[in-house]
Amino acid sequence: NAGVTQTPKFQVLKTGQSMTLQCAQDMNHNSMYWYRQDPGMGLRLIYYSASEGTTDKGEVPNGYNVSRLNKREFSLRLESAAPSQTSVYFCASSEFETQPQHFGDGTRLSIL
Amino acid sequence: KQEVTQIPAALSVPEGENLVLNCSFTDSAIYNLQWFRQDPGKGLTSLLLIQSSQREQTSGRLNASLDKSSGRSTLYIAASQPGDSATYLCAVISMSDNAGNMLTFGGGTRLMVKP
Repeated sequence: NAGVTQTPKFQVLKTGQSMTLQCAQDMNHNSMYWYRQDPGMGLRLIYYSASEGTTDKGEVPNGYNVSRLNKREFSLRLESAAPSQTSVYFCASSEFETQPQHFGDGTRLSIL
Repeated sequence: KQEVTQIPAALSVPEGENLVLNCSFTDSAIYNLQWFRQDPGKGLTSLLLIQSSQREQTSGRLNASLDKSSGRSTLYIAASQPGDSATYLCAVISMSDNAGNMLTFGGGTRLMVKP
C-alpha cells in the first residue's frame, strides 16, 4: 500500500551541485506532478506529466528538468542547485488530470 | 491568473466544537475543488473532491460545499477531535490556466483542537 514514494527524504547540497529527486507510484496513475512548498508561497507546480511520454512546465519550472521514465516513475533534476531552491518538494499522481491527486511525503532539500 | 485564499490562517477550538473553514477563488471557471489535510512534516492527504457540477461532498464528519458562482467553498468539520489538528488546504483546477490542469493552492488554515 505504498502509494507515492519519494527518495531521498532529506538532502543537503552545496550551491552548484546537481541532484535528482526520485518519485514512484504504484497506483497505475497516468498523470504525475512535482510541486515545491515554501513558507508564505504555498504549494506551486514545477512540472507535470499528463501521461507517459509527455512533460509540461508548471508555474515555476526555471532551474529544473524532469523525466517521465515510465508510467510509474517521474524524476526531478536540479542541474546547478541554488539557495533559492531550498524547499520541500512533493511528488503527486492522479489517475487522470482532473482526478484527485495523491501526494508523497516530500523531500526536504537545503542548499547552502 | 487564479488566486485562492483561505481564511482564517489559524484557528484554535476546544474539542467537540463544530467548525467551518473557508476558501475563496477568483476565477469561477474551474473543473473541481479539492480539500487536503497536511500533518507536520508530512505530505498532503486528499479529503474531498467536489466537481464543478456538484454542490457538496460528505465523508464521515467532513462536509465540503461549493458555490462556484460566488467563488467560495467551505469545509465543515463536525464534533472536532484533537486528531483533527493539522493544516487544511484547498486547491482548484482552473479551466483557463495555461499550465494544463494544475492545482492552485490556498495558503492553508492551521487548525488546533484542544482536548
